[in-house]
Amino acid sequence: NAGVTQTPKFRVLKTGQSMTLLCAQDMNHEYMYWYRQDPGMGLRLIHYSVGEGTTAKGEVPDGYNVSRLKKQNFLLGLESAAPSQTSVYFCASSLDSGASQPQHFGDGTRLSIL
Amino acid sequence: GQNIDQPTEMTATEGAIVQINCTYQTSGFNGLFWYQQHAGEAPTFLSYNVLDGLEEKGRFSSFLSRSKGYSYLLLKELQMKDSASYLCAVSDSNYQLIWGAGTKLIIKP
Repeated sequence: NAGVTQTPKFRVLKTGQSMTLLCAQDMNHEYMYWYRQDPGMGLRLIHYSVGEGTTAKGEVPDGYNVSRLKKQNFLLGLESAAPSQTSVYFCASSLDSGASQPQHFGDGTRLSIL
Repeated sequence: GQNIDQPTEMTATEGAIVQINCTYQTSGFNGLFWYQQHAGEAPTFLSYNVLDGLEEKGRFSSFLSRSKGYSYLLLKELQMKDSASYLCAVSDSNYQLIWGAGTKLIIKP
């Protein structure tokens, strides 16, 4: 059981380049999330989705776009990468938004913007 | 604003007991989660509390006091593999998780 899979695991970009991070889950979860994790800070929610075809903004959405065309996939796009977007990006999924439902995380994508 | 506070780093000895505290101020409360995150890896779910009291799960226990906005994670019989960061997260009124910065736990032989 793969759970949540993120690709790529590492990437180095130049300022102004664009890229897409892919997240796939095989648990038939409705909810999916994109977070960034920076040193000394808690995980911060970028965007999330409550089901196929839906997306919503989180705490730090600027500079990112997302799409959820299929239930199992959640894509995060960087339109024009900036050094401030250097971070570790985690995708997560949960069965629903029920308070007791834990989120399951992928292994992360380490992104450096030069 | 919403805020989760945890100690940045703690050190403990193999075989001992350690308590990691978490205090929170959030808009609404729909439960509190503890996650474990080894360096370079994904966070993994440890426990969930929504009612006051202690939840025990093997060597790990988690306590919640909603009136005090306070939780702790208790780790017993510490093992070297318990060296990790421990993340506290609160589900707010919109069921969004608000995350603490995490507590790095160092276990010494």
